[in-house]
Amino acid sequence: KQEVTQIPAALSVPEGENLVLNCSFTDSAIYNLQWFRQDPGKGLTSLLLIQSSQREQTSGRLNASLDKSSGRSTLYIAASQPGDSATYLCAVRNNAGGTSYGKLTFGQGTILTVHP
Amino acid sequence: DAGVIQSPRHEVTEMGQEVTLRCKPISGHDYLFWYRQTMMRGLELLIYFNNNVPIDDSGMPEDRFSAKMPNASFSTLKIQPSEPRDSAVYFCASTLRSRLSGGQFFGPGTRLTVL
Repeated sequence: KQEVTQIPAALSVPEGENLVLNCSFTDSAIYNLQWFRQDPGKGLTSLLLIQSSQREQTSGRLNASLDKSSGRSTLYIAASQPGDSATYLCAVRNNAGGTSYGKLTFGQGTILTVHP
Repeated sequence: DAGVIQSPRHEVTEMGQEVTLRCKPISGHDYLFWYRQTMMRGLELLIYFNNNVPIDDSGMPEDRFSAKMPNASFSTLKIQPSEPRDSAVYFCASTLRSRLSGGQFFGPGTRLTVL
């Protein structure tokens, strides 16, 4: 059974800092890995998607890396802003096949607070 | 596109009552997923459908939970009878098969409180 762990559980940083969020998973046979953002009382917004064959993806100030063999991913946020404050969730999709196709397993999330 | 639509956004009910949550996926999407989010357990997949057919319901906690998808544009998640431990935020998500290498689109969620 796939298990996803995110560290740290919470992070508070001053505006302008670069920061790294960590995600690890137990079963390296994944199809892809996705980072989401969740604002309080809202749904999930997809930030970055990395296919199992890729090493990283970038979108603006965000960069996500994937090391499938070691079961790790990091989300790097450059020059953080108060508007980045949210919960960041990592989710892995199991390989296709059987009933696992398309199924996401989520980590518990990292609560990020960027203060002015 | 309006995105994934869920109703109600908030539901407060008493223990023992039947609760029905509703979801309208994005038009054209052929996969629909129901998730539950709690502080203790995080986000968990309950069930998902492909072309209106349930594919994997292994996450459904117990027989009190049931889900249906009578057509491509509507799904329900029913809890009968409801219990306080069912209190959570329930999310619906959808995606297109050809985009399963891509991402799922999530609705805003239904916050359920069972007293």
